Amino acid sequence: EPEVTQTPSHQVTQMGQEVILRCVPISNHLYFYWYRQILGQKVEFLVSFYNNEISEKSEIFDDQFSVERPDGSNFTLKIRSTKLEDSAMYFCASGGGREQYFGPGTRLTVT
Amino acid sequence: QKEVEQDPGPLSVPEGAIVSLNCTYSNSAFQYFMWYRQYSRKGPELLMYTYSSGNKEDGRFTAQVDKSSKYISLFIRDSQPSDSATYLCAMSAVGGSYIPTFGRGTSLIVHP
Repeated sequence: EPEVTQTPSHQVTQMGQEVILRCVPISNHLYFYWYRQILGQKVEFLVSFYNNEISEKSEIFDDQFSVERPDGSNFTLKIRSTKLEDSAMYFCASGGGREQYFGPGTRLTVT
Repeated sequence: QKEVEQDPGPLSVPEGAIVSLNCTYSNSAFQYFMWYRQYSRKGPELLMYTYSSGNKEDGRFTAQVDKSSKYISLFIRDSQPSDSATYLCAMSAVGGSYIPTFGRGTSLIVHP
């Protein structure tokens, strides 16, 4: 069964550093998403991506965040200058519309 | 009032019990209603989704939507210890990117 994969599973970085989180969505899906979940809190939407451009983004997705689909399979989230409050699980999801399938997540720890 | 409200629990039940998980919401535009299961430190896994009001059954799981009351439920029959997880409700409006708004999740513990 096809699934969304994410790398790395855990990333530790120092405050102010740039990180890139990687995702391989399910191959025939058209919509791609990034979410984050701070420990013990709700899953929060960051950004959606369709037809090689951002289709929606939340207030959380400010100028320090960017997304890219550098080739036909990968989907990346870049955080330019990490802050302590960026520590969270980051989930990639892909879907064909209403249904979204989540990856296992990347745990980002900013020290 | 928060858009989606869900009791965080924990809800502890014996194996074999019928479990009822619920969410309320305030946004009348929500038309798609989803239930996700999330094991500790894993990604949410889509269990079921329904459109508008009514019931949907899949094996031991039944999802119900009552749009007039803005209330959705997930029932689990013959619960198993492997059902122990956090259950997230999520809902979205029609169109756009179908961005779901999540509840905070209910922690379910099924003990043998």
